[in-house]
Amino acid sequence: DAGVIQSPRHEVTEMGQEVTLRCKPISGHDYLFWYRQTMMRGLELLIYFNNNVPIDDSGMPEDRFSAKMPNASFSTLKIQPSEPRDSAVYFCASSPGTLLIYEQYFGPGTRLTVT
Amino acid sequence: GQQVMQIPQYQHVQEGEDFTTYCNSSTTLSNIQWYKQRPGGHPVFLIQLVKSGEVKKQKRLTFQFGEAKKNSSLHITATQTTDVGTYFCAGIFGNEKLTFGTGTRLTIIP
Repeated sequence: DAGVIQSPRHEVTEMGQEVTLRCKPISGHDYLFWYRQTMMRGLELLIYFNNNVPIDDSGMPEDRFSAKMPNASFSTLKIQPSEPRDSAVYFCASSPGTLLIYEQYFGPGTRLTVT
Repeated sequence: GQQVMQIPQYQHVQEGEDFTTYCNSSTTLSNIQWYKQRPGGHPVFLIQLVKSGEVKKQKRLTFQFGEAKKNSSLHITATQTTDVGTYFCAGIFGNEKLTFGTGTRLTIIP
């Protein structure tokens, strides 16, 4: 299995630009999670989906952030407009079922730098 | 909000010494998971603890879940250079999402 796939691996953009991060979960996994990791705030859950439906987006920082999962094999996290404080590593993770039973498999992450 | 506190933030040990990191929550957890993240890498699942007082071992790693399900620990015996990384606990407070601790960064002095 290829594992969770994220693209791009690195993104450098200017403040005000739109940024789209992409994720392909492991085939057959029903849950997909988006996390953000920074030195100051650690690992934060932004949003998670179950069977392509957003379940909890309470971690999304503000309206500039949006996430979609149009089908079981693809999800996007979009930031528009981007700001320097959005600089972080963004991880996508998937799980075959509820985390009450199963573990998460993380992708390699996208390192975003907003200048 | 619900938080999981983890200590220490950093730990430097001589190779061969033991290492322990602790997690604490103010409220009862449904379960707790442990992850390891190598420098520049992504978190990798180590283990899940569900039952009160549960103890699980993986070779040199011993994981414990407190009787009140509010705290947990990871102990590594005789550390090796391959143990370098940041160890995170992550707890579930009755829903389906993990709240990650702040992590303990372990460095090994050869």
